[in-house]
Amino acid sequence: KNQVEQSPQSLIILEGKNCTLQCNYTVSPFSNLRWYKQDTGRGPVSLTIMTFSENTKSNGRYTATLDADTKQSSLHITASQLSDSASYICVVSARRGSTLGRLYFGRGTQLTVWP
Amino acid sequence: EAGVTQSPTHLIKTRGQQATLRCSPISGHTSVYWYQQALGLGLQFLLWYDEGEERNRGNFPPRFSGRQFPNYSSELNVNALELEDSALYLCASSSGLADTGELFFGEGSRLTVL
Repeated sequence: KNQVEQSPQSLIILEGKNCTLQCNYTVSPFSNLRWYKQDTGRGPVSLTIMTFSENTKSNGRYTATLDADTKQSSLHITASQLSDSASYICVVSARRGSTLGRLYFGRGTQLTVWP
Repeated sequence: EAGVTQSPTHLIKTRGQQATLRCSPISGHTSVYWYQQALGLGLQFLLWYDEGEERNRGNFPPRFSGRQFPNYSSELNVNALELEDSALYLCASSSGLADTGELFFGEGSRLTVL
């Protein structure tokens, strides 16, 4: 069964601290993995997209890693800011030949950054 | 370049009525996805359209339906509205390419059923 599991479900950190969010998946055949940031009541915004051959990708203070062998990904946030408070969603895409197949969403990690 | 646009932003209906939500994908994108996000919950997959055809649907009753038009815009219809249909409905579009197909979301349509 294709699934995406995220942990922790919620996380509270102090401003300026670092944190790491986890995503484990069982989606096959794998196409790519995306991390999204969703502010409350808004649409998700893409942070990174990683294909099978990529191990690490950065976007400012966000760094995503992918281990395709263990089917695990992490999102590391450096020097957190109050504006980082949001839900972070891991999305894994299945492959359908050369085209995009079904998308599988994790439930998200709710991050709260306190001053 | 315009992003994914959804309308209406907010919609209030009563039980038993029908709701129609619309989505315009990014220019050049042929795939449109619909998701339901109830308050405090994750995104639940509703429908996936590609090149005008329904490719897949999630575990929702048949009163949730939709279509994709020749210009790739899409419509989501919810018939016989129930209170639990109150949610944020998100539309996303993609070019459909497996490795490079970026996925962009709209800001959503907030449906409230009274």
